[in-house]
Amino acid sequence: GIQVEQSPPDLILQEGANSTLRCNFSDSVNNLQWFHQNPWGQLINLFYIPSGTKQNGRLSATTVATERYSLLYISSSQTTDSGVYFCAVAERTGTASKLTFGTGTRLQVTL
Amino acid sequence: DADVTQTPRNRITKTGKRIMLECSQTKGHDRMYWYRQDPGLGLRLIYYSFDVKDINKGEISDGYSVSRQAQAKFSLSLESAIPNQTALYFCATRKNTEAFFGQGTRLTVV
Repeated sequence: GIQVEQSPPDLILQEGANSTLRCNFSDSVNNLQWFHQNPWGQLINLFYIPSGTKQNGRLSATTVATERYSLLYISSSQTTDSGVYFCAVAERTGTASKLTFGTGTRLQVTL
Repeated sequence: DADVTQTPRNRITKTGKRIMLECSQTKGHDRMYWYRQDPGLGLRLIYYSFDVKDINKGEISDGYSVSRQAQAKFSLSLESAIPNQTALYFCATRKNTEAFFGQGTRLTVV
């Protein structure tokens, strides 16, 4: 099956700093999503971005499908940005598409 | 109300007991999924379903079963719970594009 790798695995930032998280995938995908898992365990949809660039406030994402990677940018980080960031890709298998998750980037933003 | 609702939110059960986790959705999506997350790890797929007549095993289906009672309902069962099934369980729905997740069920098997 498809492999999804995220880097870095852990990241510590001071409040106000910028960061870039990377997601590499091993095969062509139909879809790609970025999620934030907050400290309470909830998964929050950030971006649905199979290709191109999107921005939402301090966050933006870019997917280059032909080169099999996606980047998530966090600018002016805040302590509420702490948590784990996952990318997930969808490959078509049989009659349903499976979402495969990366192992995540754990972000800690300190004061 | 949440679009994807999981019940219960938290559960402690004993080894050997049967337990069912339920998921319902109001988004009208055809695809539904059950995932498991262990501490410090990503989500792994247990089962997925395209519609009520379509059930597929994921990468870690052993020890689990599912039932798609209706388009909006997808239940996960542990026939005989064991301690290494202690984890955070997520249900998700998807149509053609974006997937949406429930709040999660934190299951502890003692």
